[in-house]
Amino acid sequence: GAVVSQHPSWVICKSGTSVKIECRSLDFQATTMFWYRQFPKQSLMLMATSNEGSKATYEQGVEKDKFLINHASLTLSTLTVTSAHPEDSSFYICSAAGPSSYNEQFFGPGTRLTVL
Amino acid sequence: AQSVTQPDIHITVSEGASLELRCNYSYGATPYLFWYVQSPGQGLQLLLKYFSGDTLVQGIKGFEAEFKRSQSSFNLRKPSVHWSDAAEYFCAVGAHSGGGADGLTFGKGTHLIIQP
Repeated sequence: GAVVSQHPSWVICKSGTSVKIECRSLDFQATTMFWYRQFPKQSLMLMATSNEGSKATYEQGVEKDKFLINHASLTLSTLTVTSAHPEDSSFYICSAAGPSSYNEQFFGPGTRLTVL
Repeated sequence: AQSVTQPDIHITVSEGASLELRCNYSYGATPYLFWYVQSPGQGLQLLLKYFSGDTLVQGIKGFEAEFKRSQSSFNLRKPSVHWSDAAEYFCAVGAHSGGGADGLTFGKGTHLIIQP
């Protein structure tokens, strides 16, 4: 199957700082990338959908000014958590889908964010 | 709006016994259905998927699932579990719009415990 990587795998930051998380599709061109958030022992919640070269579409309740998403190429999407606060601490997971994937998404390993 | 219900939060099964994890979905059209497994600290791994055709789908690691439209269900089964199957299992539903893949809606997950 296709491989999706995320970097970093974990990050600790101070409250008020910004953190950037990268999601890369290593062996295929991802026309669409998704960002999910997973709280401890809970399910994944879709945050936003990004198509290469377009603005991201955010789910209801997700602050677009706090969670900045850039999908500059067919292999890279970034999520920047701006002015992070402790409540932003979570597990962030990206996934990527190709143009004819029948919505089969390939998931990255996730990034654990802890805001102190 | 689509939704997924996994009624069992925890399931305990003896090693070697059979397993069935329940999943019910709500979706207006024919859904694309998925089962993922997540081990502690790991990313999501796709076990199997249903797009169309044969309603009994085979996946990796000896898992299978059956799509029953009349019951809006997509239950996961395995005839004989192994200790290594202990993990969190997520059922998900998605669609494919004309413009590309859509984000998945996940159930809350079922935590599988294997007794020796």
